[in-house]
Amino acid sequence: DQQVKQNSPSLSVQEGRISILNCDYTNSMFDYFLWYKKYPAEGPTFLISISSIKDKNEDGRFTVFLNKSAKHLSLHIVPSQPGDSAVYFCAASAGHSGYALNFGKGTSLLVTP
Amino acid sequence: NAGVTQTPKFQVLKTGQSMTLQCAQDMNHEYMSWYRQDPGMGLRLIHYSVGAGITDQGEVPNGYNVSRSTTEDFPLRLLSAAPSQTSVYFCASSSLYSPLHFGNGTRLTVT
Repeated sequence: DQQVKQNSPSLSVQEGRISILNCDYTNSMFDYFLWYKKYPAEGPTFLISISSIKDKNEDGRFTVFLNKSAKHLSLHIVPSQPGDSAVYFCAASAGHSGYALNFGKGTSLLVTP
Repeated sequence: NAGVTQTPKFQVLKTGQSMTLQCAQDMNHEYMSWYRQDPGMGLRLIHYSVGAGITDQGEVPNGYNVSRSTTEDFPLRLLSAAPSQTSVYFCASSSLYSPLHFGNGTRLTVT
């Protein structure tokens, strides 16, 4: 049973606008959440993470928001750039385990000029 | 910076054949993992290791063996390949409180 869910398989956004990617989880033991970005024929690369003791973490154009009561997190990209076009995976773990992650199915983001 | 290196990049096997997917990391990470990615699916954990000599099963371990004799290497063995094992395999490494670093994957086809 999928414990991390990304219900939008794809998203298209215009360059310069905000991209919002969503992720829901079911396991209340999850306390560490990450976003990975993946280009075709490459491995996923780490983008940003958040611990359950926070509700927001920022890194440049990327911000992750965590709503523990709703078991929901989101990734905001502002402003979106064509180079951001990729598949984005949400991942979660319990006990801050960085090696055994549960991944969502991914959202394919297309940023158009 | 090599990071996580996986070989081969591509492999075609016949049903019943065995093979080993190689993974090496040069970051002195204590943790290493193997994931598989299938179309429309996220990455699913096959096996992982928290240090040399210590391995454990993930979500989808059947049909795969691992061992970790050194910190650097974490090979994944397919004992008797089946078409259901056609997938892209990713090896990853990490250290305490650092995120997983992935290799570029091995694309395996079993006919």
